[in-house]
Amino acid sequence: RKEVEQDPGPFNVPEGATVAFNCTYSNSASQSFFWYRQDCRKEPKLLMSVYSSGNEDGRFTAQLNRASQYISLLIRDSKLSDSATYLCVVTPGTYKYIFGTGTRLKVLA
Amino acid sequence: DVKVTQSSRYLVKRTGEKVFLECVQDMDHENMFWYRQDPGLGLRLIYFSYDVKMKEKGDIPEGYSVSREKKERFSLILESASTNQTSMYLCASSSPPSGASTDTQYFGPGTRLTVL
Repeated sequence: RKEVEQDPGPFNVPEGATVAFNCTYSNSASQSFFWYRQDCRKEPKLLMSVYSSGNEDGRFTAQLNRASQYISLLIRDSKLSDSATYLCVVTPGTYKYIFGTGTRLKVLA
Repeated sequence: DVKVTQSSRYLVKRTGEKVFLECVQDMDHENMFWYRQDPGLGLRLIYFSYDVKMKEKGDIPEGYSVSREKKERFSLILESASTNQTSMYLCASSSPPSGASTDTQYFGPGTRLTVL
């Protein structure tokens, strides 16, 4: 089993739709969690950290479920500019960042 | 804004050449990392450094070495480039962990290396 798993997609959604991605992780000792966004042929950029209590940033909501060992990202009112690959990152130890292979989102006009 | 820069966006080298990839960060971060990213495999850690002159092997260090002589600069060296080292190379930096939390990584723009 991979340490971090994501559905590769692509998720094709119309503009204005709500879309959600999950990311499962295997190491229950993991402490920090992040979602990154990566555009084609560009570097990953931090979208948001994921806190135990869940957190929201505009149209984006991240949740952590420690019991089931997954994190989620919800995007409301999708924009064309949201089209990208979304990477989840889990840190099972100091200096150790495990990246998922990413979920590709395409928002269609 | 955190800024991480890499010396080249695109690089073409021949098999057997020695290749240097440079990374500089301007946020006084202690930690620096080198990853490679390949389709379907995601980001894989090559080496990281948590202090000047300190280095630790990541998951795929074979064929690579690193150098960290100054805090802001972390270099990746391919001693003798091979075609299977054709990849996107990403440098990242972060602050040290605080308690149980590991801090966010910030990435450079990447170097797309082709080895012929």
